[in-house]
Amino acid sequence: DGGITQSPKYLFRKEGQNVTLSCEQNLNHDAMYWYRQDPGQGLRLIYYSQIVNDFQKGDIAEGYSVSREKKESFPLTVTSAQKNPTAFYLCASTVQGANGELFFGEGSRLTVL
Amino acid sequence: DAKTTQPTSMDCAEGRAANLPCNHSTISGNEYVYWYRQIHSQGPQYIIHGLKNNETNEMASLIITEDRKSSTLILPHATLRDTAVYYCIVRATNNAGNMLTFGGGTRLMVKP
Repeated sequence: DGGITQSPKYLFRKEGQNVTLSCEQNLNHDAMYWYRQDPGQGLRLIYYSQIVNDFQKGDIAEGYSVSREKKESFPLTVTSAQKNPTAFYLCASTVQGANGELFFGEGSRLTVL
Repeated sequence: DAKTTQPTSMDCAEGRAANLPCNHSTISGNEYVYWYRQIHSQGPQYIIHGLKNNETNEMASLIITEDRKSSTLILPHATLRDTAVYYCIVRATNNAGNMLTFGGGTRLMVKP
């Protein structure tokens, strides 16, 4: 079945360590997105990519980095510079130019101890 | 993109219609209204979207007022599985980044 796969679903890390969250889609979508969600809050955009080898910062990009070397993959690295990395991270994708229907993965919950 | 205002929470009896309001008084002529929902600890799910006319699909109906300043999402026969946070979002058709800005949403609790 086509879809978006995020891994790992749960991740625990020590403070000061970099962490990379995986996002893979087999929907042949052009655009991919990373959102962060804190408890009881809405989603905030971290980074997005409309085509391979290109990406733009969202509203809260500081402390995060991404790459888009392949159309189907958009990994997110949470660096040690991110002050409060504990959160629920959601990856999404859509066909470029489509009227905004985003397809989301199931999310990755990162806890920094 | 225009901002939206939604009630923080609502209750609905199982089997009854759930009517979720959204205010988007600053909406522009080229902005669509989208609805997504998020069941606890899962990724958001697309429900429906519209520009001017009312829309209906297998999940819900979207009623947009004539002045487009508000809309209502209707779940005609709510079930316990419809308990979720519902997000109303407006987005311009020329939004090249295809980005959607999610606010706090409405937490709908469907009760037996």
